[in-house]
Amino acid sequence: GAGVSQTPSNKVTEKGKYVELRCDPISGHTALYWYRQSLGQGPEFLIYFQGTGAADDSGLPNDRFFAVRPEGSVSTLKIQRTERGDSAVYLCASSWGGLTEAFFGQGTRLTVV
Amino acid sequence: GIQVEQSPPDLILQEGANSTLRCNFSDSVNNLQWFHQNPWGQLINLFYIPSGTKQNGRLSATTVATERYSLLYISSSQTTDSGVYFCAVELVFGKGTKLTVNP
Repeated sequence: GAGVSQTPSNKVTEKGKYVELRCDPISGHTALYWYRQSLGQGPEFLIYFQGTGAADDSGLPNDRFFAVRPEGSVSTLKIQRTERGDSAVYLCASSWGGLTEAFFGQGTRLTVV
Repeated sequence: GIQVEQSPPDLILQEGANSTLRCNFSDSVNNLQWFHQNPWGQLINLFYIPSGTKQNGRLSATTVATERYSLLYISSSQTTDSGVYFCAVELVFGKGTKLTVNP
């Protein structure tokens, strides 16, 4: 596609529920990144994929967070047993290779009530 | 991990003024980008600049990798330049500089 696409743009869920956030990278980009941004803060790294594999998942805060990229293109970020503290904007980015110029999607605003 | 510090945290300008935003980082760099986050939250690429100098219109950037800093210059600022400017080093973001340009 022309740019990185994230769906949904907004998600409201109840505490304790499971959510999935989707990212469609720029066509041909092999690297994909997930970030989380809280109000007034810079984006915080979560996980980096190179192809289908997670090259660096050191930013995932706990085992309730999981991400997949089964075919090396679309990625899904999965959050189990959501907590109010998970409320944030989740950003996805992609690049041609690892740690080259990255392009971001518009984000998914997650609100846990 | 790498540390990224941006200064100043906040900057208020009158339209037409020039400004310099700074990014200091703690380790050698292969990847450094400047972004502008607009009021709708979209991160817009300004420069990919692990070293050297680049210019794009009223904006220019310089990275001195050996001294571990990068500068973003905005000349003749406009109200549409308002927003938060982020430096990302090895895709680790600083806390940003919030720029407000008043008419």
